[in-house]
Order: sequence, then structure tokens, then C-alpha cells
Amino acid sequence: DAKTTQPPSMDCAEGRAANLPCNHSTISGNEYVYWYRQIHSQGPQYIIHGLKNNETNEMASLIITEDRKSSTLILPHATLRDTAVYYCIVRANNAGNMLTFGGGTRLMVKP
Amino acid sequence: DGGITQSPKYLFRKEGQNVTLSCEQNLNHDAMYWYRQDPGQGLRLIYYSQIVNDFQKGDIAEGYSVSREKKESFPLTVTSAQKNPTAFYLCASSISGAPREQFFGPGTRLTVL
Repeated sequence: DAKTTQPPSMDCAEGRAANLPCNHSTISGNEYVYWYRQIHSQGPQYIIHGLKNNETNEMASLIITEDRKSSTLILPHATLRDTAVYYCIVRANNAGNMLTFGGGTRLMVKP
Repeated sequence: DGGITQSPKYLFRKEGQNVTLSCEQNLNHDAMYWYRQDPGQGLRLIYYSQIVNDFQKGDIAEGYSVSREKKESFPLTVTSAQKNPTAFYLCASSISGAPREQFFGPGTRLTVL
């Protein structure tokens, strides 16, 4: 699976959009981009995933660059409850279901 | 309600004792996983099972054992051979086949005294 690089921490003001970047420059054609988040002392929660098209669901939007070497997770109106560690994971569709979690980005939403 | 349960939430054991962590799911998922998380770190895969009666080692399987006798259950035993067992243990499940999101339980925090 391709390696991902995320900033270790970010701050965001409550009510503003939170844009979390992820670099995956070695991604290959059959690898998907997944995002999970983990609120303190809880199990991770799936947010969204995509292959090459932008995706949106009730939680977030995922923007993948045309060359697929980077992506951005967007929380359109961050709330205090969105404070968590956000993990960007790249995984091939023939790699079973194993996920490799790195350090992630610690997002702090401030009032 | 469908979901994954892990029990207990907190567990204390003396050094040298084996301990078994419970993980049950009623989501009808074929695949189940165990991860370990140390403070400030990401998750590391211990074992996974894609189907009943079959399981494979993950990245850090030494000192751990699992069984998968039922689709709903995937218990993890932390043996006395695990040198640093104190950690947060997370169980997850998913539909088999890719790509599929994983659903996580609330975790068990194990402290070995």
C-alpha cells in the first residue's frame, strides 16, 4: 500500500470549514483513499473513501487531485465534536481489508 | 441495534498472566480484525480473519493468539509472551471483498501491572 503523509496537527475555528490535506504521491491505479477519524479513547469511525472522483456524504467531502497524488478531506462546518485524529489511508482493492493507520492529523476545533 | 461490542472497557492483569479480550459483532460481517494502539500512535494490526476457522497474522502478532469458531466472535488472547501488553485494543469488522469500510468497537484498555 502507498504511504501517506499528513500534518501532525491543525486548528480550525468552530463553524468554519476544516480542510485536512493528505499526500500519497506513490499511489497506484487500483488504490483507494480512505478517511477515518478517532475521537479520544474511542474506536475509529469511517468517514469517506474514493478512487478518483470527488465524493461527498453527510459527514464530509473528499477532493482527490487529478493526478491522485494528494487529497483533501473537507468538513464544511466544523463543530467542537469534530475534534479528533483524522487518518488518511491508501489501500489497494486486492489487499483484503487490512488498513494501515499512520499517525494522522490531530484536528482541534476551537470556539 | 447492530454493532460491535468489546468487553470489558478497562482490564487490569498481573504480569505473567494470559488474558482474553472479547469481541462480538451482529453485523453479519465475514471479516474481523484486532488492532493495538499505543499512546499518541496510530493503529497496528495484530490478527485478522476473513472467514470462520481461518485467520492470519498481522504486523505485530507475536505474543498474541486468536480463534474464529463463530462468525460473530473473534476473541484475542494476550499471552505472557507479549513483552509490552499494556495498550488500547480495538476490534473491527467488515464485509469481505474490497473496498469496504471497517466498523470499530469501543476498545478495551488493558493495563498489566
